[in-house]
Amino acid sequence: GQNIDQPTEMTATEGAIVQINCTYQTSGFNGLFWYQQHAGEAPTFLSYNVLDGLEEKGRFSSFLSRSKGYSYLLLKELQMKDSASYLCARGGSGGYQKVTFGIGTKLQVIP
Amino acid sequence: GAGVSQSPSNKVTEKGKDVELRCDPISGHTALYWYRQSLGQGLEFLIYFQGNSAPDKSGLPSDRFSAERTGGSVSTLTIQRTQQEDSAVYLCASSLAGGMTNTQYFGPGTRLTVL
Repeated sequence: GQNIDQPTEMTATEGAIVQINCTYQTSGFNGLFWYQQHAGEAPTFLSYNVLDGLEEKGRFSSFLSRSKGYSYLLLKELQMKDSASYLCARGGSGGYQKVTFGIGTKLQVIP
Repeated sequence: GAGVSQSPSNKVTEKGKDVELRCDPISGHTALYWYRQSLGQGLEFLIYFQGNSAPDKSGLPSDRFSAERTGGSVSTLTIQRTQQEDSAVYLCASSLAGGMTNTQYFGPGTRLTVL
């Protein structure tokens, strides 16, 4: 399979930094996506990593280590609106964007 | 511009009935995906369209599920003889093309409840 493991829930304080980890099976790997999904809404794209290293995009950064089958999403200066589920998704082979999603990490930001 | 739209937003049906779910992708997007999101589960891939063709139907759970796409635009997901385990949110996404760097834009989903 293409097991994707991420914590089911996390809580963090407004203004703080939080790191959401994701591990995945490395065979046939073709990129790692992170999506944000607010309750009752559609997922929205956050990042796509295909090479090792950290990619920063404003308050959000995403890291990938292909050899370890590991990624994390880093959220800085947390805001209440960041309370959402964060979905880790692994791209596979197949000639198109065949993506396998993890169950998602529900992040609650508290004052 | 308009995003991906889906209809209906909510559908309640009785076990054994057929349902049709509709997806209108972003204009000009050639790739279209259907996913299912059940309570406590991750998004589950169902089917991928490139134009009107479906190169990958591997995610369809059973032969009760089928989908088509016409005119390279609108897609319909049909579930025949619905079962209670079909209850889920059905999400459609489209992207400019099928490649890995093309962002998928999701619609709001159709919440299907089978009684």
